[in-house]
Amino acid sequence: DSGVTQTPKHLITATGQRVTLRCSPRSGDLSVYWYQQSLDQGLQFLIHYYNGEERAKGNILERFSAQQFPDLHSELNLSSLELGDSALYFCASSVWGGRDNEQFFGPGTRLTVL
Amino acid sequence: QQPVQSPQAVILREGEDAVINCSSSKALYSVHWYRQKHGEAPVFLMILLKGGEQKGHDKISASFNEKKQQSSLYLTASQLSYSGTYFCGTMNGSNSGYALNFGKGTSLLVTP
Repeated sequence: DSGVTQTPKHLITATGQRVTLRCSPRSGDLSVYWYQQSLDQGLQFLIHYYNGEERAKGNILERFSAQQFPDLHSELNLSSLELGDSALYFCASSVWGGRDNEQFFGPGTRLTVL
Repeated sequence: QQPVQSPQAVILREGEDAVINCSSSKALYSVHWYRQKHGEAPVFLMILLKGGEQKGHDKISASFNEKKQQSSLYLTASQLSYSGTYFCGTMNGSNSGYALNFGKGTSLLVTP
């Protein structure tokens, strides 16, 4: 158990809908990262927040957005869902977000878009 | 920017050794190794930093060749529990936000 929690574990929804994924980092960690894992694309970085501020964006679609709240939990919002958005979504946390920081992954949310 | 891992897959008998390689076309600052079992989260194994030493714990170790921008993960006397997909994640000097760029993974199966 990494100490990172994610809810829900599974999410099944229809195309065009909007969902919110939630992540709570390990106690004391200030950085949260979101990653998407699909069979064809592998593990892809989406976005990084540090202490409430956005620090970097990766291959994140405009239909996706995220935020980190004062209590450091983070939410990833996915809207106008398409079949291709079906994937495992992981969040990871690290102490402060430097290049020498270990990132610890949560159990993931499996999103299925029908 | 995605690092290249080799081999793509390997099958071992319990007790055999394996090496997994990770290479990048960009100058690397750090290399992070993870193991993921099917449907589960990637589990952190170790991190190697530019200018750092070879690392290891138990029978898993890794090295980082800065000149070649390569890292290798060494699995010695493999156990059944070593089965899974191994990913290297890299960070280079130009990374903003320090996100990990992951390779496509190496699938490792250890058989009795």
